[in-house]
Amino acid sequence: QVQLQESGPGLVKPSGTLSLTCAVSGDSISSSNWWSWVRQSPGKGLEWIGEIYHSGSTHYKPSLKSRVTISLDKSKNQFSLRLKSVTAADTAVYYCATGRDYAWFYWGQGTLVTVSS
Amino acid sequence: IVLTQSPGTLSSSPGERATLSCRASQTVSSTSLAWYQQKPGQAPRLLIYGASRRATGIPDRFSGSGSGTDFTLTISRLEPEDFAVYYCQQSDTSSMYTFGQGTKVEIK
Repeated sequence: QVQLQESGPGLVKPSGTLSLTCAVSGDSISSSNWWSWVRQSPGKGLEWIGEIYHSGSTHYKPSLKSRVTISLDKSKNQFSLRLKSVTAADTAVYYCATGRDYAWFYWGQGTLVTVSS
Repeated sequence: IVLTQSPGTLSSSPGERATLSCRASQTVSSTSLAWYQQKPGQAPRLLIYGASRRATGIPDRFSGSGSGTDFTLTISRLEPEDFAVYYCQQSDTSSMYTFGQGTKVEIK
């Protein structure tokens, strides 16, 4: 059973950088999965941010691409999200997720990140 | 690709059948259409992938169907725990993912 756990600051200042980590257990991030980030603004729907493959290949949502970096840390079996130049519009619950067949079978419990001074 | 879900809210009673629609702005491969259930304060839970394949542990009252631009999630008999928000999701050929805006299934 794959388990994912997000961690990182819950409060980020405007124009700052949001940094989150997703610790993976029950699977290796070196396996043939895509490792993804999805967010959900308060009271809103789900928004895909991007993903990374075990090879390091990435795909990002076009509207976020200029601000987003997703990376792997194979030594710690985790992957990370960095989102720079944040505004209040980036306030959301951030989920890490993974799966196969173009669907996310496993999700972290989510972490709320608030952008505020 | 834009996914449009209808209705926005479905008011139903336990035991009733629920039919949720997901319409795509372009043709979507059936292999890349999924449905999720989300309850307040919880992460989404995968119900259906590949348009019609139930994820492990999902009751058989949940079924998915459709092809092309029109997909449907059917709950044959609503149980109290099924009242939640449901999202469809697709992946296109350039590995971009989008979600529908969600359908809330509420108790009438």
